Amino acid sequence: NAGVTQTPKFQVLKTGQSMTLQCAQDMNHNSMYWYRQDPGMGLRLIYYSASEGTTDKGEVPNGYNVSRLNKREFSLRLESAAPSQTSVYFCASSEWGGVYEQYFGPGTRLTVT
Amino acid sequence: EDQVTQSPEALRLQEGESSSLNCSYTVSGLRGLFWYRQDPGKGPEFLFTLYSAGEEKEKERLKATLTKKESFLHITAPKPEDSATYLCAVQAGAGSGGKLIFGQGTELSVKP
Repeated sequence: NAGVTQTPKFQVLKTGQSMTLQCAQDMNHNSMYWYRQDPGMGLRLIYYSASEGTTDKGEVPNGYNVSRLNKREFSLRLESAAPSQTSVYFCASSEWGGVYEQYFGPGTRLTVT
Repeated sequence: EDQVTQSPEALRLQEGESSSLNCSYTVSGLRGLFWYRQDPGKGPEFLFTLYSAGEEKEKERLKATLTKKESFLHITAPKPEDSATYLCAVQAGAGSGGKLIFGQGTELSVKP
């Protein structure tokens, strides 16, 4: 039982390049989330998916797109990377419909130069 | 606006020196408050969920409590392996779904 997995672990991009961060969970959770974590800012929600087939914006969605590929997988795409998107990105998953803890992946450290 | 504030930002303790971390929140209808532990270079790890004022949860040297305005994470006789960043998060009002609002965290360092 791997929990939540993310790929890649590290990535360096040049301004304007695009990339997709991958996330998968094996806990049969309905809901999945993408966060970014910056020093002094805490974890901020980028996008989330309450269930397969739905996605919604979080607190900081600009510059990102997401795809809920199936119940297990939720990807985050940067179409044209900017230095302001340098951050650590975490994917999480949880049950839906009540008060449930979220389980986090190990993170992707992204640097945009 | 829903808000979560943690204090102090950093805390240095000697091994065995008990202390508390604070999480103050301003939300429209608290549904649950969560505590997480985060080690350097890793994702947050779930510790506790508190649902209503007066509730307490314990795990080894950690005890979390909840009032109507704040939560405390009490650490009794800490050990160096308790060193980590501790994050607090809240799930607010019925319309928020499963979304969490996180505080900035408290970085705890326990020296032997």
